[in-house]
Amino acid sequence: NAGVMQNPRHLVRRRGQEARLRCSPMKGHSHVYWYRQLPEEGLKFMVYLQKENIIDESGMPKERFSAEFPKEGPSILRIQQVVRGDSAAYFCASSPPQRTDTQYFGPGTRLTVL
Amino acid sequence: AQSVTQLGSHVSVSEGALVLLRCNYSSSVPPYLFWYVQYPNQGLQLLLKYTTGATLVKGINGFEAEFKKSETSFHLTKPSAHMSDAAEYFCAVSRQEYGNKLVFGAGTILRVKS
Repeated sequence: NAGVMQNPRHLVRRRGQEARLRCSPMKGHSHVYWYRQLPEEGLKFMVYLQKENIIDESGMPKERFSAEFPKEGPSILRIQQVVRGDSAAYFCASSPPQRTDTQYFGPGTRLTVL
Repeated sequence: AQSVTQLGSHVSVSEGALVLLRCNYSSSVPPYLFWYVQYPNQGLQLLLKYTTGATLVKGINGFEAEFKKSETSFHLTKPSAHMSDAAEYFCAVSRQEYGNKLVFGAGTILRVKS
């Protein structure tokens, strides 16, 4: 059973470009969480999604950030018009529907904004 | 609101010595409690968790933690440190009514001296 997959592992963007981060949960997992780890800061919750639904986006910045988890395919975290302050490691975690108390993390996408 | 405090951003121990990483939480009701480990440029790996039941929890790689409700603590221990234990450790809490989103402490970097 493959673990949580994230791609790309490293992403470089220039200011003003768009960044798309992908997360494929573990097989059978229908819950996805996104977290951000800024330099010198801890991990912060961003958004919690189930298939086709955003359950909790209380940690998402109000502008430029969006997330989706379609019926088919990976979950996508999209950052429009990136700024240098968006440079961070973005982690996805998934959990199965019957055990949402435990999350399994992917390797992360390290975004660098030039 | 939940919060997690990890005492000591850096801990240094000698190989073979006891490892003790401290974690205190703040929550109106006992939450779920977790310890994760992160190696450089990698994702988070679950070491152990407490949800219900026995308060002494054993995890992978010889680690264990004890939930002490009266002290609102969940300290991580290992009797004998190994060089491969050098990493960053995160304590986290969640609650089912908040969608089980994880609230992390700031992390403790463990250094193991030979």
